[in-house]
Amino acid sequence: KNQVEQSPQSLIILEGKNCTLQCNYTVSPFSNLRWYKQDTGRGPVSLTIMTFSENTKSNGRYTATLDADTKQSSLHITASQLSDSASYICVVKGTGGFKTIFGAGTRLFVKA
Amino acid sequence: DSGVTQTPKHLITATGQRVTLRCSPRSGDLSVYWYQQSLDQGLQFLIHYYNGEERAKGNILERFSAQQFPDLHSELNLSSLELGDSALYFCASSATTGEAVEKLFFGSGTQLSVL
Repeated sequence: KNQVEQSPQSLIILEGKNCTLQCNYTVSPFSNLRWYKQDTGRGPVSLTIMTFSENTKSNGRYTATLDADTKQSSLHITASQLSDSASYICVVKGTGGFKTIFGAGTRLFVKA
Repeated sequence: DSGVTQTPKHLITATGQRVTLRCSPRSGDLSVYWYQQSLDQGLQFLIHYYNGEERAKGNILERFSAQQFPDLHSELNLSSLELGDSALYFCASSATTGEAVEKLFFGSGTQLSVL
């Protein structure tokens, strides 16, 4: 069964600290993986996309990694800010018109 | 601002009623997707339209239906509403349909409360 699992379910960190969010998937054949940020009450916004051949990609203080062999991805947030408080959703897409699967998300709380 | 407009932002109704949610995609986007997000749940794919035609169905109940009009806006119709239908309903659009590196642009959602 094709699934996307994220951990932890929620996370509380202090402003200025780093954190890493995990995404494990079983989607096969794999095409790409996106990380979205969803602020409370708003729609998700794409942060980065990882394709099969990419291992690391950065977008400002966000760095995503992908290990296609172990089917794992991580999103590392550096020097967290209060505005990073949001849900982070891992979305995996397969090939051949396979539909997109959304993870349940990790809810991040950044405290002052 | 994603460029995707959803109306209304909030909707409160009673069980057994019928409501219509509206979505205007980004200018030029041909694909419209509908998602349901219940409290503390992930996004659940409902249905996908491309240029007026239904392309894929997800976990959409028979009480729900959707359509995409010639001007590309879309409507999601929910009927015989139940308490469990209370959720945030998102519309997303993209320029393509189902392509591998397709990027979705989400609206701000419609919060439906069924009392």
